[in-house]
Amino acid sequence: AQSVTQLGSHVSVSEGALVLLRCNYSSSVPPYLFWYVQYPNQGLQLLLKYTSAATLVKGINGFEAEFKKSETSFHLTKPSAHMSDAAEYFCAVSSTSGTYKYIFGTGTRLKVLA
Amino acid sequence: DAGITQSPRHKVTETGTPVTLRCHQTENHRYMYWYRQDPGHGLRLIHYSYGVKDTDKGEVSDGYSVSRSKTEDFLLTLESATSSQTSVYFCAITPGQGDTEAFFGQGTRLTVV
Repeated sequence: AQSVTQLGSHVSVSEGALVLLRCNYSSSVPPYLFWYVQYPNQGLQLLLKYTSAATLVKGINGFEAEFKKSETSFHLTKPSAHMSDAAEYFCAVSSTSGTYKYIFGTGTRLKVLA
Repeated sequence: DAGITQSPRHKVTETGTPVTLRCHQTENHRYMYWYRQDPGHGLRLIHYSYGVKDTDKGEVSDGYSVSRSKTEDFLLTLESATSSQTSVYFCAITPGQGDTEAFFGQGTRLTVV
């Protein structure tokens, strides 16, 4: 069975500071991994995805994530936080075996302080 | 944006009444999903479909049923709504090819009183 753990339900950073949102996964087969962002009263929007082509993945809005198989991690980072980054972020895993079930973590709400 | 429309967007209903939520897509994608979002739980899969009349349960399927009679429509039914089913419901779709992500609708906020 696949699962995702996001450490820290709430994270606060100062504007201009590094953003680090943590995601660890469990999967018995090579996974696909995703980060989504959700702004208030909206649906989920894809930030980036890992599909085995490259371990360092760059996404929209300056975000990137690194796949580390040895640590079963896929942490999301951004060098400099902007006020507009305040949102909820979800990590998700899907199987490469063809079942196409997306399993989500519990989410991390990012607050950016002026 | 992926062509996904959820209806209604907001609904208040009474305990014990049946409720049907509709997800309509214009992308001709094979897979469709229903998730619920609750604070502290993230998104949890209720049911999903991998083709017309082909559906399967997710992790929180009790109290819910689904139907898919056409590629473009995926219906979620609460046979007898309970207060524990107050939530935000999201529909998602994916073509089911390779490494594609899931595309989400705008959500339906359901309140059971």
